Amino acid sequence: GAGVSQSPSNKVTEKGKDVELRCDPISGHTALYWYRQSLGQGLEFLIYFQGNSAPDKSGLPSDRFSAERTGGSVSTLTIQRTQQEDSAVYLCASSLQGQGYEQYFGPGTRLTVT
Amino acid sequence: AQSVSQHNHHVILSEAASLELGCNYSYGGTVNLFWYVQYPGQHLQLLLKYFSGDPLVKGIKGFEAEFIKSKFSFNLRKPSVQWSDTAEYFCAVNTGRRALTFGSGTRLQVQP
Repeated sequence: GAGVSQSPSNKVTEKGKDVELRCDPISGHTALYWYRQSLGQGLEFLIYFQGNSAPDKSGLPSDRFSAERTGGSVSTLTIQRTQQEDSAVYLCASSLQGQGYEQYFGPGTRLTVT
Repeated sequence: AQSVSQHNHHVILSEAASLELGCNYSYGGTVNLFWYVQYPGQHLQLLLKYFSGDPLVKGIKGFEAEFIKSKFSFNLRKPSVQWSDTAEYFCAVNTGRRALTFGSGTRLQVQP
């Protein structure tokens, strides 16, 4: 079946603009995660959704970052008033609840803030 | 909070050489352990995982890893690397908190 998809694959924006990044998880996966991969660094957890529960936002670096998940499926990560340090690859992953936390990753969105 | 250390940042090997990439984590409780691989231009893929049972786990493409609880380690091994193994390798830990904690990655370059 289809894997996790993300759009756009690349996004270039000017400092101060808002951006929206989209993630379509694997069908039937109830858990969805956002991570950020900065140059030369590992993956940093941002936010986690599980079913209808309140999301775990503990990884969001500032209040400029927010995310929502509509209908328990598609998720949108929004970055307001982008800064140059927001430049990174934003990765989405999904997992099937009860499967021991094995996460499947999408191809990522490369965000460049100029 | 848990953390994951990958001490080898960049490894260069010749084809047929043996590989061992180190991974250590800091957490005293029960852990789930993973190795992910990212080939050039591709997305992260699961290489292998350990949840419980036999501490020696085998993954895809001839990779294996050994969980040594007393050393808080989960090193990745392959007896004979190929040029196609050139990639970045990430160790990750999950401790019941649902997100994964990743190491900073090891870039493996295999020379033909």
